[in-house]
Amino acid sequence: NAGVTQTPKFQVLKTGQSMTLQCAQDMNHNSMYWYRQDPGMGLRLIYYSASEGTTDKGEVPNGYNVSRLNKREFSLRLESAAPSQTSVYFCASSEFPGGQPQHFGDGTRLSIL
Amino acid sequence: RKEVEQDPGPFNVPEGATVAFNCTYSNSASQSFFWYRQDCRKEPKLLMSVYSSGNEDGRFTAQLNRASQYISLLIRDSKLSDSATYLCVVNMGRGSTLGRLYFGRGTQLTVWP
Repeated sequence: NAGVTQTPKFQVLKTGQSMTLQCAQDMNHNSMYWYRQDPGMGLRLIYYSASEGTTDKGEVPNGYNVSRLNKREFSLRLESAAPSQTSVYFCASSEFPGGQPQHFGDGTRLSIL
Repeated sequence: RKEVEQDPGPFNVPEGATVAFNCTYSNSASQSFFWYRQDCRKEPKLLMSVYSSGNEDGRFTAQLNRASQYISLLIRDSKLSDSATYLCVVNMGRGSTLGRLYFGRGTQLTVWP
């Protein structure tokens, strides 16, 4: 099915470990986003990429890095995972540069022990 | 202060009822506004944009009041399938900072038979 694909769907890490969350979209969208969702907090923007070759910080970028590898792919990296990064992570895309997310991936449920 | 505040609910209404949700935002220069719905443990999905003059999509009506800095969503003739969490989203970016979308914490709606 066309849309936004995130991998992995679930992951358990130990404090201090690193990992990369992968996201790919096949709709030729310009903008891509990474959000985290915590109970009672709503979705918070970590980083976004308004177009290929650009990335910008969102509300909560500390502890994360991103790479817009090409127009399709936007990865999120945790260099040294902390328990506070336990969350559900969503990738999203939009055909409009900086526009509202039109499609979300299924999410990655990440637990850090 | 949270950039986007929503009536947390939960709202529990019978089928056929009319229900309204409100959302306030902090930045008077905000550019665009949206409602999303999110089913339990699923990804958010774009429900509708909110236009200055108000807009309707079937049983759903969205309105914007820039002077008072709030948006609303009205659902008429509620269906069981409307049960979800409704997220208010405001794009507070301008120019190069487009993409700074802020999500409210969501309002939970349960429609009962």
